[in-house]
Amino acid sequence: KAGVTQTPRYLIKTRGQQVTLSCSPISGHRSVSWYQQTPGQGLQFLFEYFSETQRNKGNFPGRFSGRQFSNSRSEMNVSTLELGDSALYLCASSLGGQGYTEAFFGQGTRLTVV
Amino acid sequence: DAKTTQPNSMESNEEEPVHLPCNHSTISGTDYIHWYRQLPSQGPEYVIHGLTSNVNNRMASLAIAEDRKSSTLILHRATLRDAAVYYCILRPSLTTGNQFYFGTGTSLTVIP
Repeated sequence: KAGVTQTPRYLIKTRGQQVTLSCSPISGHRSVSWYQQTPGQGLQFLFEYFSETQRNKGNFPGRFSGRQFSNSRSEMNVSTLELGDSALYLCASSLGGQGYTEAFFGQGTRLTVV
Repeated sequence: DAKTTQPNSMESNEEEPVHLPCNHSTISGTDYIHWYRQLPSQGPEYVIHGLTSNVNNRMASLAIAEDRKSSTLILHRATLRDAAVYYCILRPSLTTGNQFYFGTGTSLTVIP
């Protein structure tokens, strides 16, 4: 079956602009989580959506937001971009929310803010 | 979420077994132990998980200490393709979401 698809793969934006990233989960998966990966902070959890509702949120400013559509596809938006937002943004899809549930990650979107 | 401690880096010769340790002394009785790995320029991928008993799959084996305060991921024959950062993560049995809290992981170098 098809894996998790993230688009675009690469993006260059200017400071102050906003950006929208897209994630298509594995068919049948209703949970989509987003992560930011930087060399300094590693992999950090942003937020999770389940059945179109934000279920969990990490410790990121309100400039980072997301949504999930009825087909489980999710988008992540970052407004008023800062240089420090340059990172690899990863999304992961999962079936449920139990402790044994595994997550399937996409290849990520590499965002560069100049 | 409970914290895990892993060595920053390890090296292994190709075709030899690799034992990647993880300490999780504050693990609770209902936490699952998950291992993921991240190859260069890719997203993390699931390797294996367990609760109390040792586990085997086609990728690796997971050995869990009797007191569950540590675990070891075993790659039986390292290949160059196994060079990656390996993350050990604890997940509560009853969780309200799919958030994973990654530590710094162990960067595995495989020497030809």
